[in-house]
Amino acid sequence: SQTIHQWPATLVQPVGSPLSLECTVEGTSNPNLYWYRQAAGRGLQLLFYSVGIGQISSEVPQNLSASRPQDRQFILSSKKLLLSDSGFYLCAWRGTGGLEQYFGPGTRLTVT
Amino acid sequence: RKEVEQDPGPFNVPEGATVAFNCTYSNSASQSFFWYRQDCRKEPKLLMSVYSSGNEDGRFTAQLNRASQYISLLIRDSKLSDSATYLCVVPLNDKIIFGKGTRLHILP
Repeated sequence: SQTIHQWPATLVQPVGSPLSLECTVEGTSNPNLYWYRQAAGRGLQLLFYSVGIGQISSEVPQNLSASRPQDRQFILSSKKLLLSDSGFYLCAWRGTGGLEQYFGPGTRLTVT
Repeated sequence: RKEVEQDPGPFNVPEGATVAFNCTYSNSASQSFFWYRQDCRKEPKLLMSVYSSGNEDGRFTAQLNRASQYISLLIRDSKLSDSATYLCVVPLNDKIIFGKGTRLHILP
């Protein structure tokens, strides 16, 4: 069966520090991968999605970037965090030809 | 019209009652729809898929009205454990569009 992992589960970082969040999927090949952010009490905001290795689509211009170095690995990065980057970061996958999306457990980021 | 719209609630409903939420979507070409459930500080989890006119799973019924471009979620005999935020989801090519969610509180 398919599983999706995210780490770390929680993170506290100072303003201006770099960020790297990792997401990996097991049990499937060539998934579509997604990064979302959810601010406290708000809805899901799609940040990036990827349909294949090295292919990244950005939804919201900001100080974040994403990379997909391997088929089942999706990384979210920032060179300098802002206070407004605080939130719940969720990675999700969708199978090729599938429509349902499945989420990882998320990373709760607090920028201080 | 926003791509996906939901009443944010909260809906405060006594245990055992029936509750229904609506979700409207703007893209008339959308063919499939989903309801997700999100508990506080947790990831969303797939609750139901809606591919045709509707779907039923136990106490949960999802219905699709293509003419009016809305889907609904009906929860019968509500339980305390049904308290959560319910997200309406519409795939759009490679993207997935989420509504902002409807909060449901089941009252004992």
